[in-house]
Amino acid sequence: KAGVTQTPRYLIKTRGQQVTLSCSPISGHRSVSWYQQTPGQGLQFLFEYFSETQRNKGNFPGRFSGRQFSNSRSEMNVSTLELGDSALYLCASSLGDRGELFFGEGSRLTVL
Amino acid sequence: LAKTTQPISMDSYEGQEVNITCSHNNIATNDYITWYQQFPSQGPRFIIQGYKTKVTNEVASLFIPADRKSSTLSLPRVSLSDTAVYYCLVGDDTGGFKTIFGAGTRLFVKA
Repeated sequence: KAGVTQTPRYLIKTRGQQVTLSCSPISGHRSVSWYQQTPGQGLQFLFEYFSETQRNKGNFPGRFSGRQFSNSRSEMNVSTLELGDSALYLCASSLGDRGELFFGEGSRLTVL
Repeated sequence: LAKTTQPISMDSYEGQEVNITCSHNNIATNDYITWYQQFPSQGPRFIIQGYKTKVTNEVASLFIPADRKSSTLSLPRVSLSDTAVYYCLVGDDTGGFKTIFGAGTRLFVKA
């Protein structure tokens, strides 16, 4: 079956702009979680959605937001981009229980 | 979530068995132990998960002592392609609720 799909794979933005990243989970998976990965901070949890509801949130400012649609697809948005937002943004889906996480290839964001 | 401690890096040679130990002294009764592998510019990939004793699958074994305060991921006969970062996660929400990844262990396999 198809894996987790993230779009776009690469993008370049300038400071102050906003960006929207998309994630299509594996069919049947109702949980989608987002992570930011940078060389300095490693993999950091952003938030997790389950059946269109945000179930958990990491320690990121309000500029980072997300949502999940009825088909389980999810988007995350970062407003007023800062240079420090440059990172690989990873999406993972799961059945929502104690099962494994399935990650996408990520969206690499560069903020200039 | 239980805090985990792993070695920052390890070196090995092709064909050797590699054991990576993770300490999790504050593991809770309901917590599971899960290991992921990550290659550069890719998302982590699930390797194995266990609760106690020993779990084995086609790629690795996971050893968990009776007190569950540590766990050891064992990779048999590593190859160059096993060079990656390995993360140990402990929690009862390993399904993705609020999974916290530590710094991981960078394994470098040499020819």
